[in-house]
Amino acid sequence: AQTVTQSQPEMSVQEAETVTLSCTYDTSESNYYLFWYKQPPSRQMILVIRQEAYKQQNATENRFSVNFQKAAKSFSLKISDSQLGDTAMYFCALITGANSKLTFGKGITLSVRP
Amino acid sequence: SQTIHQWPATLVQPVGSPLSLECTVEGTSNPNLYWYRQAAGRGLQLLFYSVGIGQISSEVPQNLSASRPQDRQFILSSKKLLLSDSGFYLCAWTADRVLADTQYFGPGTRLTVL
Repeated sequence: AQTVTQSQPEMSVQEAETVTLSCTYDTSESNYYLFWYKQPPSRQMILVIRQEAYKQQNATENRFSVNFQKAAKSFSLKISDSQLGDTAMYFCALITGANSKLTFGKGITLSVRP
Repeated sequence: SQTIHQWPATLVQPVGSPLSLECTVEGTSNPNLYWYRQAAGRGLQLLFYSVGIGQISSEVPQNLSASRPQDRQFILSSKKLLLSDSGFYLCAWTADRVLADTQYFGPGTRLTVL
């Protein structure tokens, strides 16, 4: 079975500052993908960034980047230059090639203060 | 480009009434399709997934059922709603049938059972 753990329920950051959201996971598979999804108040789930496990290079998407530590099974999201529109719930998720089922963490509520 | 639609956006139903939620995907063929439920302030729970027409896998035994009458149409149903069926229902698709890949979500349906 695969698991995803997000131990921080809430975080707050000042606008324009940098924040890091933590995530750990567990799987016995060697072929898997990791994701961060954002869920704003509209509740639509929006893909923020994705990381293939076989790639050593950390994924980046504009102000969003990840720190993928495969041996430690850690997958954190760094948001640089935080903006008010980044206020949302963020979910870490894992999918493996074995069953193609997406497993979500419980999410973290991020608030960006003006 | 691919788009995913869900309707209705909001639904209020009495206990014991039937349910039908619809999800359709445009711009792709042979997608994997998924139904998730999210309780208030919680993570996502996978309910059903389908890799093709008429092929449904159930993840959680419950009061709901799913059907896939057409390649890009996925329907979530219930004969008699329970209070516990209230929640936010999300449909998702992925383009790759063989490998685990990114899931893209629809806008969701907010269901309230009274």
